[in-house]
Amino acid sequence: GENVEQHPSTLSVQEGDSAVIKCTYSDSASNYFPWYKQELGKGPQLIIDIRSNVGEKKDQRIAVTLNKTAKHFSLHITETQPEDSAVYFCAVLNNDMRFGAGTRLTVKP
Amino acid sequence: DTEVTQTPKHLVMGMTNKKSLKCEQHMGHRAMYWYKQKAKKPPELMFVYSYEKLSINESVPSRFSPECPNSSLLNLHLHALQPEDSALYLCASSQVAREFYNEQFFGPGTRLTVL
Repeated sequence: GENVEQHPSTLSVQEGDSAVIKCTYSDSASNYFPWYKQELGKGPQLIIDIRSNVGEKKDQRIAVTLNKTAKHFSLHITETQPEDSAVYFCAVLNNDMRFGAGTRLTVKP
Repeated sequence: DTEVTQTPKHLVMGMTNKKSLKCEQHMGHRAMYWYKQKAKKPPELMFVYSYEKLSINESVPSRFSPECPNSSLLNLHLHALQPEDSALYLCASSQVAREFYNEQFFGPGTRLTVL
């Protein structure tokens, strides 16, 4: 089955700095790559996604890049704010959704 | 309405109890999912319903019994659970199951504690 690895497991940045989280996957047939943000006591919320036929997608301060050849994709958050603090999960869809282990992002004011 | 609702928010039960978790969506989605999430871990898929039929059971013990009464509702019946079953149980829905570009919407979860 699909194997998703996510790094780093924890990330601490100063407010205003950028944050980058990376994921790799194993199955080249995977075709959809969402990123979820999970705040304490809440369910995961989709923040951005990318399809396999696109290399990059941006939505305001958030961007995702996909390298299908290398089988990795990354989440980029610019101008981070304290409210960006949460756990972020990458996921890969290949029939079923498989999640990375998560990254706990802390943005210090 | 782009919301998945789950009840109850919290549930404490003994190992001999029978309880049910409920999930509802009104987005017209035809696929619904149960996930289990332990602390500091990612969600793990338990069950997938597609057009009200169980399509995936990820080797989940029989003490967890899913039910999909209609396309908007999903239940998870619990019986004779173990303390290690304590977790956040998440419901999700998507337009269809196992298709390309299949955004899943998650509910807030039910925090289950088994004593």
